[in-house]
This record gives sequence, structure tokens and C-alpha cells, in this order.
Amino acid sequence: DAGVIQSPRHEVTEMGQEVTLRCKPISGHNSLFWYRQTMMRGLELLIYFNNNVPIDDSGMPEDRFSAKMPNASFSTLKIQPSEPRDSAVYFCASSVERTGTGELFFGEGSRLTVL
Amino acid sequence: AQSVTQLGSHVSVSEGALVLLRCNYSSSVPPYLFWYVQYPNQGLQLLLKYTTGATLVKGINGFEAEFKKSETSFHLTKPSAHMSDAAEYFCAVSEEYGNKLVFGAGTILRVKS
Repeated sequence: DAGVIQSPRHEVTEMGQEVTLRCKPISGHNSLFWYRQTMMRGLELLIYFNNNVPIDDSGMPEDRFSAKMPNASFSTLKIQPSEPRDSAVYFCASSVERTGTGELFFGEGSRLTVL
Repeated sequence: AQSVTQLGSHVSVSEGALVLLRCNYSSSVPPYLFWYVQYPNQGLQLLLKYTTGATLVKGINGFEAEFKKSETSFHLTKPSAHMSDAAEYFCAVSEEYGNKLVFGAGTILRVKS
């Protein structure tokens, strides 16, 4: 079975540009999470969805960040405009809620560099 | 609110030696506890988890962890380190069953030959 698929794996952009990160969760999973990983702050939960509905976006740093999940098989995280401090690895993870496993399945991440 | 503290950002052991990675948590309700491992340039993957029942939990690759409520700890151990164990390890806690994990800062394990 395919795991969580993220694209792009690497993105280098200039300050002020729009960045869109994409995620395809594992088929059948109904919870999706976006995390950001930096050396300074570690892993931070940005937002999570359940059945395509945003449940908690309290971790989204500011209005420049937005996330959508238009259907069960696709989600995007958008940064507009991007800033150098947004440079990080962004992970998408999915999970089957209330099945008794409590396991998150992570993608390989999108490494973003904002110059 | 729940939180996790991992003692030691870097741990170095010799191959064949005991691995001990420390994790303490804070939670207002009985927690669900997890250890994840991250290899370079990869996402995290689950090593083991504690939800209810037996407090000694066995995971993949020979790792195990013990939930000690009185000490609010969930330390990760492995009797004999292997070179392939070199990675970053994250402890995580959840107050809702399984989801919305809060991660610790991570511990990088180095294994010396």
C-alpha cells in the first residue's frame, strides 16, 4: 500500500512568493495532520482535519498560512507571502480515528527554503 | 495541557551497549504515550505506544518502554544497540485517544562502533 505522499520534496523560493505544499493521505484514513519541523522549535502541529473538516488550527502561525482539504484524498498547505523564517520541513500525517491504533503515518516531508 | 520533556538532546552509546532514552510527560488525564523514530530525510514512524493495560510495552527493532505513572515517565530502552539504531527519537503524548499528539524535542542517538 502506498504511504502518505507529499510533494514537492524540496522547494526553494524567494521571499514574498507563494508556496503550496501538497499531501495525499493513506486511503481510508479520515484524519490528516500538518506538522512543521525546525531545529529551534522541533515538531509543531499546525492544523488537523477530521473527515475533511478543520478541527484545530490553533498552531497555524499567522494569516499567511492556510490549509484546505477539499476531499478525502488531498490536502494543501499554502504560505502567501513566504518569509525566510518559514524555512522548515513540513510533514503531513494521516490516521484512522478511533480504531484503537493511535498511530500517525507520516509522509517523507517537504523541505522548504525561503531565501 | 499536555507536554513532553525529553532529557538529553544527544545520546551516544557503543554498539552492543544499553540504550536508554528518557521521557517525562505532563497530562491532566490518563495519557496515551508514544515513541516515534526518524531516520535522516524521512518521516517519523511509530516504534511503540502505551494506551491502557500492561505498562511494559514492546515495540519494533527490540525497543521497549515502561509507563510509570508515579514518575510520569515513559523511558525507551533497548538492551543492545545496533549501528542501525542511529536516528532521532521522539516521545509524544496525547490526551485524546491516539490523535493530536504533542511531541518532545527529540533525542538524537549516536551509536559508536
